Amino acid sequence: AQSVAQPEDQVNVAEGNPLTVKCTYSVSGNPYLFWYVQYPNRGLQFLLKYITGDNLVKGSYGFEAEFNKSQTSFHLKKPSALVSDSALYFCAVREPGLTGGGNKLTFGTGTQLKVEL
Amino acid sequence: GAGVSQSPSNKVTEKGKDVELRCDPISGHTALYWYRQSLGQGLEFLIYFQGNSAPDKSGLPSDRFSAERTGGSVSTLTIQRTQQEDSAVYLCASSSPPGAHEQYFGPGTRLTVT
Repeated sequence: AQSVAQPEDQVNVAEGNPLTVKCTYSVSGNPYLFWYVQYPNRGLQFLLKYITGDNLVKGSYGFEAEFNKSQTSFHLKKPSALVSDSALYFCAVREPGLTGGGNKLTFGTGTQLKVEL
Repeated sequence: GAGVSQSPSNKVTEKGKDVELRCDPISGHTALYWYRQSLGQGLEFLIYFQGNSAPDKSGLPSDRFSAERTGGSVSTLTIQRTQQEDSAVYLCASSSPPGAHEQYFGPGTRLTVT
């Protein structure tokens, strides 16, 4: 069964500093990986995905993530954090090549990012 | 165009009552998903609809939960005889396979069972 781990419940970073939100996964075969962000009282908003190709993927709002197959990781990064980036971030995985319920996403527990002035 | 919409945004109900939650997916999206977000369990998959295929109900936590999707568009999640542990935010998402991978989420329905 597929699973995702986000080892940090909360990450604090000063505005202007680089940020990293960690994610590791477990899945049979090559994974499809996603990052979503959730602002208070809002639904999940898609940030970026890795399906195949370049290990470094770029997404919305200046975020990027690096797929590392040997470490089974997909950490979310941003070179310079903004206070407005403060939100709850979820990593998710699904197994490739499956139809039906194989399309379901398995989410990590979420990491609260707090960016302070 | 419009995103995924859900109604109501908030629902407070008494234990034992039935509730219906509605999801209106993005127009043209053939796949629809229900997830539940709760403090103790995180984000859990509930059920998945794809076109006219039989839905994948593997995530439904009990037989009190059911869902239908009429005309390949709007979906209703029904919880019968609600319990306090059903209190959560119920999120709906849609996507447009084949080829598409990301799911687009609605704002959710916050259900509180008193």
